[in-house]
Amino acid sequence: GAGVSQTPSNKVTEKGKYVELRCDPISGHTALYWYRQSLGQGPEFLIYFQGTGAADDSGLPNDRFFAVRPEGSVSTLKIQRTERGDSAVYLCASSRQPYTEAFFGQGTRLTVV
Amino acid sequence: DQQVKQNSPSLSVQEGRISILNCDYTNSMFDYFLWYKKYPAEGPTFLISISSIKDKNEDGRFTVFLNKSAKHLSLHIVPSQPGDSAVYFCAASAAGANSKLTFGKGITLSVRP
Repeated sequence: GAGVSQTPSNKVTEKGKYVELRCDPISGHTALYWYRQSLGQGPEFLIYFQGTGAADDSGLPNDRFFAVRPEGSVSTLKIQRTERGDSAVYLCASSRQPYTEAFFGQGTRLTVV
Repeated sequence: DQQVKQNSPSLSVQEGRISILNCDYTNSMFDYFLWYKKYPAEGPTFLISISSIKDKNEDGRFTVFLNKSAKHLSLHIVPSQPGDSAVYFCAASAAGANSKLTFGKGITLSVRP
């Protein structure tokens, strides 16, 4: 595709529910990143994939968060037992290779009520 | 602990004048710096970057200056245009860190016609 695509653009869920956020990176980009942006803050790193493997998941806040990229393209961020503090904009980015500029999607705004 | 700091939350300049956006960092391992621009309801868009081996990089109206000894960088926009009004994020990465980015909180630039 022309750019990084994220779906849904908005998601409202009840506390305790499970959610999945999808990212479709730019075709041919091997590096994929998930970031989370809370109100008034800059994006915070969550996890980085190089190909199919999670090369760095040091930013995941706890074990309720998990991400996969089974075929090295589309990635899904999964959040179990959502809490109100998980409410944020979740951003996905991809780059042709590591250490080059990353292109961001428009984000998924997650609201946990 | 904020490793990338954008201490001024907002800046307002007159159209045609220079905009100077400042950024400070604390991690001496950072060696690659980027500026992203963000409009409401959109993801961050890459603007310009600079490697630590340089002290200046220019791209059209945008110039980034890096002062490694002071751990400071700045983005100059000349001349400023109303369409430049957005939130600007400074970001940094370290070699060997899988190119994950550490962002500042952002600065809101308003360019008055």
